[in-house]
Amino acid sequence: DVKVTQSSRYLVKRTGEKVFLECVQDMDHENMFWYRQDPGLGLRLIYFSYDVKMKEKGDIPEGYSVSREKKERFSLILESASTNQTSMYLCASTPRQRWSYNEQFFGPGTRLTVL
Amino acid sequence: GEDVEQSLFRSVREGDSSVINCTYTDSSSTYLYWYKQEPGAGLQLLTYIFSNMDMKQDQRLTVLLNKKDKHLSLRIADTQTGDSAIYFCAERKGHNAGNMLTFGGGTRLMVKP
Repeated sequence: DVKVTQSSRYLVKRTGEKVFLECVQDMDHENMFWYRQDPGLGLRLIYFSYDVKMKEKGDIPEGYSVSREKKERFSLILESASTNQTSMYLCASTPRQRWSYNEQFFGPGTRLTVL
Repeated sequence: GEDVEQSLFRSVREGDSSVINCTYTDSSSTYLYWYKQEPGAGLQLLTYIFSNMDMKQDQRLTVLLNKKDKHLSLRIADTQTGDSAIYFCAERKGHNAGNMLTFGGGTRLMVKP
């Protein structure tokens, strides 16, 4: 059974704190993604990684950074959390196959509240 | 996702058919997807359709694709209370190796007993 896990389901942090969100997949997928989900806005891509140590900015990278030191793990970092980063954060992974429908497998999400 | 649009909310009675609609803007989309998100969970792939198809049927689910109007719909027959969830439409642009998707805003389907 394929699995994407996220380190926390719920997280409460204070403004200005450094926040780490961890995501681990056990499917040996090359591609990993971080999204944030806000009501009515759907999922917006923050960053993605297509290989170890490789990263690309998504649509809304400001205020975030990422780290991919190992293939199975993709971390999202909020250098200095702000209240407008209160959101649901979803991690996903998918294999690199170009000519296939390629399902994205999602973790359960981390609901982050910044006070 | 500004490129993919959905209505926010839909309500149906149990046993009726429900239809969720989506419009997209990029004619180079290769695959279009429907994902389901149940309360407190991540997204799960429900079904997908390749861009050279007009229709795909999978048990209670029917996907219709109108490429001319860039319109995608999901029909759920005999809707059950367990179908209550948020449904996201997504498009994949070209055969990009990153397999990136653009998601719509999601449609919350409420099934009344």
